[in-house]
Amino acid sequence: DVKVTQSSRYLVKRTGEKVFLECVQDMDHENMFWYRQDPGLGLRLIYFSYDVKMKEKGDIPEGYSVSREKKERFSLILESASTNQTSMYLCASNPPYRGLQTQYFGPGTRLLVL
Amino acid sequence: QKEVEQNSGPLSVPEGAIASLNCTYSDRVSQSFFWYRQYSGKSPELIMSIYSNGDKEDGRFTAQLNKASQYVSLLIRDSQPSDSATYLCAVRTGNQFYFGTGTSLTVIP
Repeated sequence: DVKVTQSSRYLVKRTGEKVFLECVQDMDHENMFWYRQDPGLGLRLIYFSYDVKMKEKGDIPEGYSVSREKKERFSLILESASTNQTSMYLCASNPPYRGLQTQYFGPGTRLLVL
Repeated sequence: QKEVEQNSGPLSVPEGAIASLNCTYSDRVSQSFFWYRQYSGKSPELIMSIYSNGDKEDGRFTAQLNKASQYVSLLIRDSQPSDSATYLCAVRTGNQFYFGTGTSLTVIP
């Protein structure tokens, strides 16, 4: 079974703090993604990575950065947390396209920025 | 234009009825199509995938794909209260996944 884990289920931070969200997958997947999910807006792609030390901006990268030093680990960094970054953050991974592979999600981190 | 569109609902069906969820997508070269179920406060979990035109059945779930019409649907037969959730349609094009905003389903006992 594919396992994607995220470092925290719930997190409360103050405005201006630097926040690290970690994601680890155990299936040797090349592709990893960070999304945020907000009511009525669905899943929005923040950043993704197709390989170690590689990153690409998604639809809403502003205010975020990422790090992928090892294949299994993809970190999302909020450089200076703001209240509008209060959200559910979901990490996902999948192997490169072979036609039959879906995306597997971690349990999510619910972040509250005060 | 959104890549993937779903009716947000809410959709309510009585227990034992058939629930029908629909999704359209805009990119004709999309290759793979998925339905996820998401319970409140939880992450999405895959329930069906389909790649070829036609129907694919798995237990009480049937996915239908019509590439000419760019349309994907999910039928849930004998709906149960435990099926109450938000259902996300996802489309894969190469290494990118595009998600609809989800349809909220409530099964009334």
